[in-house]
Amino acid sequence: EVQLLESGGGLVQPGGSLRLSCAASGFTFSSVAMTWVRQAPGKGLEWVASIGESGDTYNADSVKGRFTISRDNSKDTLFLHMHSLGVEDTALYYCVKGGIGRVQGIDPWGQGTLVTVSS
Amino acid sequence: QSVLTQPPSVSAAPGQKVTISCSGASSNIGSKTVSWYQQLPGTAPRLLIYDNNKRPSGIPDRFSGSKSGTSATLDITGLQTGDEADYYCGAWDIRLNGGVFGGGTKVTVL
Repeated sequence: EVQLLESGGGLVQPGGSLRLSCAASGFTFSSVAMTWVRQAPGKGLEWVASIGESGDTYNADSVKGRFTISRDNSKDTLFLHMHSLGVEDTALYYCVKGGIGRVQGIDPWGQGTLVTVSS
Repeated sequence: QSVLTQPPSVSAAPGQKVTISCSGASSNIGSKTVSWYQQLPGTAPRLLIYDNNKRPSGIPDRFSGSKSGTSATLDITGLQTGDEADYYCGAWDIRLNGGVFGGGTKVTVL
């Protein structure tokens, strides 16, 4: 069974940094693209970033230059390094298997980790 | 303002059919495949439709997807109270070189 377990969320002040992690199991992690999607409270889904099997990365314009997606295939773990956080980054961050640009879509989704940016 | 446009809400009685539209552009739906996601209240989204019209295993055939030009559609037939959820379309945008979602459509069973 595929499992995705996010961690690293929490309360951070504006301008601060945070690193999210996603521990994956139940599939060959190194052979699969991975994606971060976020959802602000009461709002819709927003694609944040994706990373391919070979490490190629893609970021939303809203986070470009501030967020970095990476992966450690030796630990089956996906990361999202977030810097210069603003209140607009407050959201539930989901780790998802796959790349939204891929034919197969993205699935399954983790349960999410909450990031709150506030002073 | 989402790149893909969906109606905010649709509703119908149990057993009826609802159709959710997803309007995009040549840089996304017009050139890439569309996927659909269901988010039940208080839960993480799940994949309903991929590659425009394919269902993952375990998804009932009451859910069907189609695509024409720069628009896509999700149909739900035989509506059930358990279908009350938010539904999102998603795709890749070759101009933005990134993923895009619709704003989401809330389905209400009357």
